[in-house]
This record gives sequence, structure tokens and C-alpha cells, in this order.
Amino acid sequence: GESVGLHLPTLSVQEGDNSIINCAYSNSASDYFIWYKQESGKGPQFIIDIRSNMDKRQGQRVTVLLNKTVKHLSLQIAATQPGDSAVYFCAGNRKNNDMRFGAGTRLTVKP
Amino acid sequence: DGGITQSPKYLFRKEGQNVTLSCEQNLNHDAMYWYRQDPGQGLRLIYYSQIVNDFQKGDIAEGYSVSREKKESFPLTVTSAQKNPTAFYLCASSTYYNEQFFGPGTRLTVL
Repeated sequence: GESVGLHLPTLSVQEGDNSIINCAYSNSASDYFIWYKQESGKGPQFIIDIRSNMDKRQGQRVTVLLNKTVKHLSLQIAATQPGDSAVYFCAGNRKNNDMRFGAGTRLTVKP
Repeated sequence: DGGITQSPKYLFRKEGQNVTLSCEQNLNHDAMYWYRQDPGQGLRLIYYSQIVNDFQKGDIAEGYSVSREKKESFPLTVTSAQKNPTAFYLCASSTYYNEQFFGPGTRLTVL
């Protein structure tokens, strides 16, 4: 079946360093991907998305890379700040508009 | 002030009782979704609705029911048939094939 998963459950980085969070997906029918940030006890917040006709997209301090050949996407956060500490989910959409979420990576930023 | 709201924030249920979680959006989105999140886990899709008066089962629909009588509202009922209902429930909405916007969540605890 289709799945969207994360390579690592936790990631710890030093404040000011860059963070890279990885995600793999299994179903090549997924053609729209989203990264969400979820703080404790709150709903996920949209960070950035990418469609399968792109391999890179940049936002403010964040970049998403999509490698369709190996079915992998990553989220890069530049100059990581304490406020970036949260759980990050990748999600893959499908043409019937439902979505599959990975288990998440908990990012901890050390001062 | 547009957004998606869920109520209540915390809900306690005795075993054998049905409870209904509210989800309302004023974003004019056609699609709405319900997810369940267990500690340290990703989001699992319970039900989704692409349009008023229509909805589809997600991956874990057993023990849950929904209705979509209005575009703005998508209530979820957790029935007594759901054997392990304690979880964090998230509602989301979206336009077709775009990012989902999430509500703040309802934490349900069975006493």
C-alpha cells in the first residue's frame, strides 16, 4: 500500500545551523507534497508545498527538494531558530484529494 | 477573520457513550477532513468529504460517523463501537488539490 515515512524520528541541531529533514514516499501516484509543522497540542501548520513538475521550491528560510527518481523529499531550514522546534510532517496528496502523512520528525534546537 | 474551528478543546467520555466533535470553517472550502493522532504518531485519516451531502471513509473509519449537511460544518461522532477512542482529533479543510488548513484539535479522553 501507499505510505509516506520519515527517515529519522528525532533531529537535534544547534541554533544557527541548517536543518535537513527527510521523507520517503512509496506511491509514484503522489504528485503533490506538503510539509507541515506541528507544535505540541496544536494543529499542523502549512510550511511549504511542491508539485511533481518541480524539483525545488524555496520559501522564507525553507527549501523543499523533490527527487522523483528515488521518491524522496527533504525540507531544509536555514539558520535554525529555537522557534523552529516542533514536529515536522511530510504529506503526499493523491488525485482524489486525500492525503497521507508520515510519522513525523521531532526537531530540537539547542541554544 | 477566516479560519477553521474545533470544539470543545478537551472532551471526556464515559465508556459506552457517543460523543460528537464539532468542526466549522468559514474559508469557503469544499473539502473537509477528520484525522486521528495518537502520541508520537502521524495523522490517520478517518473520513473526508469533497462536497456537501457526500463523504468517504478513510483508513480508520470503523467506530466513527460523520455528516456534511452544510458546506461550513463537518461534525464527527465517536461511537461506542470505537474501542480505543482516546486520541487527539484534527479537522482540516481545503480547496481541491491544495494544502489543508487545520483546526486546533480536540483531545478526547475516555474515562
